[in-house]
Amino acid sequence: GAGVSQSPRYKVAKRGQDVALRCDPISGHVSLFWYQQALGQGPEFLTYFQNEAQLDKSGLPSDRFFAERPEGSVSTLKIQRTQQEDSAVYLCASSPRTKSRDRDATNEKLFFGSGTQLSVL
Amino acid sequence: GESVGLHLPTLSVQEGDNSIINCAYSNSASDYFIWYKQESGKGPQFIIDIRSNMDKRQGQRVTVLLNKTVKHLSLQIAATQPGDSAVYFCAEASFSGGYNKLIFGAGTRLAVHP
Repeated sequence: GAGVSQSPRYKVAKRGQDVALRCDPISGHVSLFWYQQALGQGPEFLTYFQNEAQLDKSGLPSDRFFAERPEGSVSTLKIQRTQQEDSAVYLCASSPRTKSRDRDATNEKLFFGSGTQLSVL
Repeated sequence: GESVGLHLPTLSVQEGDNSIINCAYSNSASDYFIWYKQESGKGPQFIIDIRSNMDKRQGQRVTVLLNKTVKHLSLQIAATQPGDSAVYFCAEASFSGGYNKLIFGAGTRLAVHP
């Protein structure tokens, strides 16, 4: 497909379980982002990759959250020992931008996937 | 699936009217601003952006206004259509942050009535 693809679409986990969420960015897009969106709120930044390098993980809420993009394309967000407060929609976005400090901010256009809705019971 | 924006402020308009959605941003250092539209069960969709060296930018049926003095952003939608019904978010970014991290506002639900 032409857009950002995320799987699974829905995930129900028991508290304490580990989960893995997958993101397939738009082909050729260098930058990849993960955001967390709680019900009724705007998305919040989690982490950012440029190719395979994780350049910013300042938004990850705890060390239970881990993201990787080993070959610079597909990315996985892993949450260990899930808690109820982890319930949210996890959004992946990609961008063709090549420079992290490129002043041409119009390259900032992010293309979002439809997200994975995680419910922790 | 869950609906985005169950507890968000709502703007109700009649089809064909103009809509104005407002946003107050927080970071004085932000110099790039974007409006996104999010329909239920979907990810945010880019609408229009503006840099801090501008105070107005127009797109197709949409206009974004930026007032840096009071840190206020607005989105105007002309001739609002039922398909415009969604939650609208403003987002800000800064050069100091490398434009890598978008900070989203709380969102406003737009309900268009026939």
